[in-house]
Amino acid sequence: QVQLQESGPGLVRPSETLSLTCTVSGDSVSSEHSYRSWIRQPPGKGLEWIGYIYDSGSTNYNPSLQSRVTVSMDTSKNQFSLKLSSVTAADTAVYYCTMGAGWLIDYWGQGTLVTVSS
Amino acid sequence: EIVLTQSPGTLSLSPGERATLSCRASQSVGKNYLAWFQQKPGKAPRLLIYDASSRATGIPDRFSGSGSGTDFTLTISRLEPEDFAVFYCQQYATSPLTFGGGTRVEIK
Repeated sequence: QVQLQESGPGLVRPSETLSLTCTVSGDSVSSEHSYRSWIRQPPGKGLEWIGYIYDSGSTNYNPSLQSRVTVSMDTSKNQFSLKLSSVTAADTAVYYCTMGAGWLIDYWGQGTLVTVSS
Repeated sequence: EIVLTQSPGTLSLSPGERATLSCRASQSVGKNYLAWFQQKPGKAPRLLIYDASSRATGIPDRFSGSGSGTDFTLTISRLEPEDFAVFYCQQYATSPLTFGGGTRVEIK
């Protein structure tokens, strides 16, 4: 059973960089679930795909966030990470890490709330 | 970018009734790569349907998906108390991946 767990600061100052890590258990980098994405959900609103990293290390980002987003992977720790720079209050959201065999999302972490505030 | 429009915004029904949720795409969704998710308060979304009509593992057969091209439907044949939630459609055919705005199914 694949499990995903997000971790990182729950509060980030405006203009700083949001950094989150997703730890994967019950699976491995070489598994079929090789697409690892970040998705976010502002409080009371809908879902927005941020971007993914493939097991080769290639990435694909939402054009709306592309200039500020970096997704990376640490295969030795079975983790992948999100960095979002120059955050504003509009980036306040629950951030989910997810995995799938392709672009279909099979597994979700429980989500972590990140608030952008001074 | 494929824009997904879900309707209605809210559906008020009683347990035992049939729910029909709609998802319309701004352009054809290739290979019918359309999924439906259920989300309960404070929880992550759960995959119900993929490839427009295939049920995910462990999903009861009262949930069914249909449609192709630009028009898709999620049907819950008889609502159980645990089914009341928000439902999202999502296309995974074209980047960027996009979600509909959601339909809330509430107890009447």
